[in-house]
Amino acid sequence: AQKVTQAQTEISVVEKEDVTLDCVYETRDTTYYLFWYKQPPSGELVFLIRRNSFDEQNEISGRYSWNFQKSTSSFNFTITASQVVDSAVYFCALSASRDSSYKLIFGSGTRLLVRP
Amino acid sequence: DTAVSQTPKYLVTQMGNDKSIKCEQNLGHDTMYWYKQDSKKFLKIMFSYNNKELIINETVPNRFSPKSPDKAHLNLHINSLELGDSAVYFCASSPSTPSLNEQFFGPGTRLTVL
Repeated sequence: AQKVTQAQTEISVVEKEDVTLDCVYETRDTTYYLFWYKQPPSGELVFLIRRNSFDEQNEISGRYSWNFQKSTSSFNFTITASQVVDSAVYFCALSASRDSSYKLIFGSGTRLLVRP
Repeated sequence: DTAVSQTPKYLVTQMGNDKSIKCEQNLGHDTMYWYKQDSKKFLKIMFSYNNKELIINETVPNRFSPKSPDKAHLNLHINSLELGDSAVYFCASSPSTPSLNEQFFGPGTRLTVL
């Protein structure tokens, strides 16, 4: 079975704080892909990053960084110096190679509130 | 240019009615999807089509019938609407090549059944 767990339902921080959103996944596949999507209050789903299971390099994009650790089945997302515009629901998702459609299995999302 | 578009954006209707949501992508992708997001924000796959062929039906009630007239379109028809169908429905598309399988989402259609 494939599953994504985002244990943090809601996080509230003050602007400029760093914040880490946790994601733990389960899959029996050796080839799989991990994603993060952002859903701002306007409702659209915005792609942030994709990682394949063979690439454990951490990635940094501006204030965003991702830590992929296969040993703990985690793909955590850190926002440095958070801003009010970062307030959104963030979803971690998994798709596996054995499923030819590569459907996304989503976590339940973490609502991030950044207060001024 | 809009990559994945859905119409309508909002749909309010009475129980028992039949309604359709349309989705179009201009990205040249082979695979399209419908996802449902409920009131608690849970996102779940409903259907997936590849080159107009159904490849996933995630135990969705028969009242939901997707139709793909060509690989750029995937419409969702819902018969005999029920209160529990109220949700946001997202269409998405992706290339069928695994290494490029980022899914692009449409803006969503908020369906409210009264």
